[in-house]
Amino acid sequence: SQQGEEDPQALSIQEGENATMNCSYKTSINNLQWYRQNSGRGLVHLILIRSNEREKHSGRLRVTLDTSKKSSSLLITASRAADTASYFCATDAKDYGQNFVFGPGTRLSVLP
Amino acid sequence: NAGVTQTPKFQVLKTGQSMTLQCAQDMNHEYMSWYRQDPGMGLRLIHYSVGAGITDQGEVPNGYNVSRSTTEDFPLRLLSAAPSQTSVYFCASSYTNRGKGEKLFFGSGTQLSVL
Repeated sequence: SQQGEEDPQALSIQEGENATMNCSYKTSINNLQWYRQNSGRGLVHLILIRSNEREKHSGRLRVTLDTSKKSSSLLITASRAADTASYFCATDAKDYGQNFVFGPGTRLSVLP
Repeated sequence: NAGVTQTPKFQVLKTGQSMTLQCAQDMNHEYMSWYRQDPGMGLRLIHYSVGAGITDQGEVPNGYNVSRSTTEDFPLRLLSAAPSQTSVYFCASSYTNRGKGEKLFFGSGTQLSVL
């Protein structure tokens, strides 16, 4: 079974709206990261949050982490058409040899 | 910097054929890995390496071999291709010290079809 699961599987919003994606995981982690994948391309790192952090910002991105609930959320504010992509959370859990484990992703569509 | 370079970008094989997917990085990263991406399943780790001469299995290693003779290169070999290996393959690397927040750098992927 997968360590990480994103929710929702797909999200469609209008340009200018905020987009929120959630990630749940099963075992204790050191860090949680979010990646973006444009269609047909490799993944690109967006932001990292450590297990002892609760919130982190980077430009229009805000990530939260709740280790008691084993969950994280990624908020993209004032979305743009260029934000259309798939978003993945990745954890480096001790139970997985500290390798990066990815969820199935959330497909975000931002409509102009 | 070229980053992580994967070749080829596309490949079609017949069942039973063998081939090697190439991956090279120029960032002096110690950690390298191979993932496969299938619809609805995210990325699954095939094999990884924490340095030259060291490799280990990931979640889905069957049917694949790897070697790491240099820091820069980490080829993935399909010994006898099967239709179940039809997928998009990504090579990724990072600095050492996994578990300390090192981010992964990805190649652009290889789309493999096995007929």
